[in-house]
Amino acid sequence: DGGITQSPKYLFRKEGQNVTLSCEQNLNHDAMYWYRQDPGQGLRLIYYSQIVNDFQKGDIAEGYSVSREKKESFPLTVTSAQKNPTAFYLCASSRWGSEQYFGPGTRLTVT
Amino acid sequence: AQSVSQHNHHVILSEAASLELGCNYSYGGTVNLFWYVQYPGQHLQLLLKYFSGDPLVKGIKGFEAEFIKSKFSFNLRKPSVQWSDTAEYFCAVANAGGTSYGKLTFGQGTILTVHP
Repeated sequence: DGGITQSPKYLFRKEGQNVTLSCEQNLNHDAMYWYRQDPGQGLRLIYYSQIVNDFQKGDIAEGYSVSREKKESFPLTVTSAQKNPTAFYLCASSRWGSEQYFGPGTRLTVT
Repeated sequence: AQSVSQHNHHVILSEAASLELGCNYSYGGTVNLFWYVQYPGQHLQLLLKYFSGDPLVKGIKGFEAEFIKSKFSFNLRKPSVQWSDTAEYFCAVANAGGTSYGKLTFGQGTILTVHP
């Protein structure tokens, strides 16, 4: 069953803690992406990776970090430096330049 | 930088009404265009896409969109909506060349509510 999995679906953290969101894909896509979705703002790109061991900042990378050690995996760490981390986080993958396929998302709440 | 504007934040229709959702983008070069839909509680999924060729593209569930290059627009249409079309719709644009090739820029989204 091909697709993108994100875990967990809901995540709660205390302010000041780093938290890592998981994203795995079995679509054999080279490119992977992380977005943040806030009401009325659409999706905003945090980081993206075109190939293993390489990634670039998106439009709102401050306070986030990523790694891409395997083709299938692209975890996102929300650090304590992110000023407004409570949001819905979406992971996507694609063949580079083609349409993106999205995971179910992780809703992060930081209190 | 690319920007994408969706004209309406919330559209409310009755079943069988016609739908048109506006989308405009700023980049003047070659672009790839997409409409995505997010049904309540479901993944974001692709409705339709335009890369090249016929500017009138057809997607799933009876949706279509028209690319008008001179107007930097990619409006989504459906002749007769159903209650099951209730969802949030996102327009997205990717530059088809240059250093930002492949990166998607999304509009703010339009919530469509269809009353039975």
